[in-house]
Amino acid sequence: GENVEQHPSTLSVQEGDSAVIKCTYSDSASNYFPWYKQELGKRPQLIIDIRSNVGEKKDQRIAVTLNKTAKHFSLHITETQPEDSAVYFCAGGIIGNEKLTFGTGTRLTIIP
Amino acid sequence: NAGVTQTPKFRILKIGQSMTLQCTQDMNHNYMYWYRQDPGMGLKLIYYSVGAGITDKGEVPNGYNVSRSTTEDFPLRLELAAPSQTSVYFCATPTGGETQYFGPGTRLLVL
Repeated sequence: GENVEQHPSTLSVQEGDSAVIKCTYSDSASNYFPWYKQELGKRPQLIIDIRSNVGEKKDQRIAVTLNKTAKHFSLHITETQPEDSAVYFCAGGIIGNEKLTFGTGTRLTIIP
Repeated sequence: NAGVTQTPKFRILKIGQSMTLQCTQDMNHNYMYWYRQDPGMGLKLIYYSVGAGITDKGEVPNGYNVSRSTTEDFPLRLELAAPSQTSVYFCATPTGGETQYFGPGTRLLVL
């Protein structure tokens, strides 16, 4: 089955700087990669996703890039703000299968 | 958002007790999932269902059972609670396409 690895496990960034979180996946059949944000005590919530037919997707300060050949994808957050502090999870899956395998999470702390 | 509801929000169980975690969705989706999230860890799939009457094991099914008699409800049953089952349990369903929408979670403590 699919295995998704996520790095780093913790990340501290000065407010206003950029943050990058990286994930690798093992199943070359995977073609759907969402990112979730989980604030303390809350449920995971989707922030952005990408399908394998595109290499990059952007939504305001958040972007995701995908390298199918290397089987890795990354989350980029620019101009970080204190409210970006949370745990971020990547996941991989196959469209139509509707099962996701999650990474172990990255705790992002924005330093004011 | 009343899309996915879970009850209870929090529960303390003694070792060996049983309980049912309830999950209900009002979006008429066929797919439903149960995950557990241990402290500081990611989400692991326990069981999932592709429609009423159909369930299948996920990554960590041992110690749990599920049923899916209706499209709306997907209860998770713990028969003999163990400390290793202390976790936060999330139910999820796709919102449309592949994106999974999570319920608010049930925090379970087994002592």
